[in-house]
Amino acid sequence: DTGVSQDPRHKITKRGQNVTFRCDPISEHNRLYWYRQTLGQGPEFLTYFQNEAQLEKSRLLSDRFSAERPKGSFSTLEIQRTEQGDSAMYLCASSPRPGSGNTIYFGEGSWLTVV
Amino acid sequence: GQNIDQPTEMTATEGAIVQINCTYQTSGFNGLFWYQQHAGEAPTFLSYNVLDGLEEKGRFSSFLSRSKGYSYLLLKELQMKDSASYLCAVVMNSGGYQKVTFGTGTKLQVIP
Repeated sequence: DTGVSQDPRHKITKRGQNVTFRCDPISEHNRLYWYRQTLGQGPEFLTYFQNEAQLEKSRLLSDRFSAERPKGSFSTLEIQRTEQGDSAMYLCASSPRPGSGNTIYFGEGSWLTVV
Repeated sequence: GQNIDQPTEMTATEGAIVQINCTYQTSGFNGLFWYQQHAGEAPTFLSYNVLDGLEEKGRFSSFLSRSKGYSYLLLKELQMKDSASYLCAVVMNSGGYQKVTFGTGTKLQVIP
């Protein structure tokens, strides 16, 4: 499978715990996005990486959220001290380097439930 | 900033044609995506328009008017499996990179 893969697909955690999601983009895609989606809404932009550089971070992303892409390949999204409002699907997406196409390809998402 | 509007819900009959509209206001516009999303699944790519006009791809077509800030997705010969949410997403040049912002989606229900 050469698509975007995310792990874990589902996570149930107690309020106050930390969680980490991993995303492996399509090989050779240098652009990587994280979105969050709740029921009945479209995906909300969280952050964007070009290679290993985090170029933009939404103001939706509080200081409890941190994302990394240390080697410009896989990325992690960590949520510290989770709150019930963090319950959502966290989508990772990737796209080719500029000039090679703009289509964004999504992973299957990581569902987070905070209880 | 960006403002993307699309209807919340639509209902159409199997075999019919449905048009889902999307209007947007943005600076640095650089294209518009349509994605399909079935409940509980990730969005899947349908189309990408950069230039004005209609692009046809099988039963699905997408239209863009940059001057009017308007796009639509046309679905022909509707099938039950087309019941899904359809997301309009605008690409904007932002600080040297392309930012993609999604609308809230249109939930389409196809009925027999």
